[in-house]
Order: sequence, then C-alpha cells, then structure tokens
Amino acid sequence: KQEVTQIPAALSVPEGENLVLNCSFTDSAIYNLQWFRQDPGKGLTSLLLIQSSQREQTSGRLNASLDKSSGRSTLYIAASQPGDSATYLCAVLWRNAGGTSYGKLTFGQGTILTVHP
Amino acid sequence: EAGVAQSPRYKIIEKRQSVAFWCNPISGHATLYWYQQILGQGPKLLIQFQNNGVVDDSQLPKDRFSAERLKGVDSTLKIQPAKLEDSAVYLCASSFRLAGGPMSYNEQFFGPGTRLTVL
Repeated sequence: KQEVTQIPAALSVPEGENLVLNCSFTDSAIYNLQWFRQDPGKGLTSLLLIQSSQREQTSGRLNASLDKSSGRSTLYIAASQPGDSATYLCAVLWRNAGGTSYGKLTFGQGTILTVHP
Repeated sequence: EAGVAQSPRYKIIEKRQSVAFWCNPISGHATLYWYQQILGQGPKLLIQFQNNGVVDDSQLPKDRFSAERLKGVDSTLKIQPAKLEDSAVYLCASSFRLAGGPMSYNEQFFGPGTRLTVL
C-alpha cells in the first residue's frame, strides 16, 4: 500500500533555529513530491515541488531534498521565524506503470510547527 | 492570476440534511480535484476530473456524495444526506493537466476550502 508518513507530529522551536521536517513514503515509484503549508482555517499553499529526477529544490529559506532509494524527503527551514508557524504537509504523486501519473496526491498527516519569539 | 475559488467558506447543517459546495478552478486548468480533510489528518482525494470526465472516484462514498463538472470548468460537490462523520474541510484543487510535460503542468493549486460542521 502506498503511504506517506510525517514525523514529528508537532514541533516547537525558538525563533532563529534551523529545523528539519521529515517525510517518508513506502514506494519509490514516485512522479513528484510536494511540500505544502497550511495556516489555520486556510487552504494549502505549495512551497516546493521536487520531480522524481531531482535531488533537491530551494526557495528562500526553504530547502527540500528527495532520496527515493530510502523513501525519504526532508524540508529544511533556516533561521525560523514566528511567521513560519503553520502545519507542513508532504504529498506524493505516484508514478504508474506507464511512467506518468494518475494525479492523485497522497498526503502525510502533517507536522504542526510552532516558532516562539 | 486568480487562484482557485470556493464557496461557501463555512457551512453548519444538521445530520440528514443536504449541502453543496462550489469550486471554480484556475483558468485553463483541465484537471480538478476534490479532497476531504478531517481534523488532524492530511487531505484525502474524493474525486478527480479531467475536463468534464471523471478520472478517479474510488474513494467517493457514492451512496451519499456526488460531484459534477459541467462544461469542464466549475464543479459542484454534494452530500445528501449528511452524517456526523462528514464534518471536515473540503478542498478543491486544480492543475494544468494530469501528468507529463513541464514540471509546472501537474503542480496542484488549492482553494481556501469549505469547513463543514454536521450537528
């Protein structure tokens, strides 16, 4: 069964700290992997998308890595700020036998991040 | 560029009542998705459309849920009759296409969601 797991479920850090969020997936046949941010009562905002052929993507203070062989992705946040407080979701688009995708994202449960001043 | 629009943003109903949600995807996006997100969980796909055809509705409780995408643009998700366990946020997303092509083509963009409370 194709599943996505995120640990930890919650994380609280002081402002300025560098942190890592983890995502693991059970099948290496992925098409791409997306990291999303969700603020309370809001929809999902896409942060980074990594294609299966890529090893990492960077945007500002965010860096996402992908290791298909170990079934893991990490989201690195540098110099965290209180405004980074949100739920972070990892989602996988699986590759089908034809090498493309059926389009269905499988999400992890999310990590609730709190950055305190 | 306008994002994915959804309405209403909030809805409170009694169990056994019916409710409908509306979604307008990003202009030009052929693929539309409805996800259900129960509190404390990640979103789960209910149904996806490619233009006005259904691609995957394997996780849609078809005895009470229905969805349509007339003319391949706007979409409506309906629940009839609602149960307590249907309380969740219903998210609509769209992408340019299902898969293939440049990376940006299959990136999914989400609307703000509709929070449903069934009492």
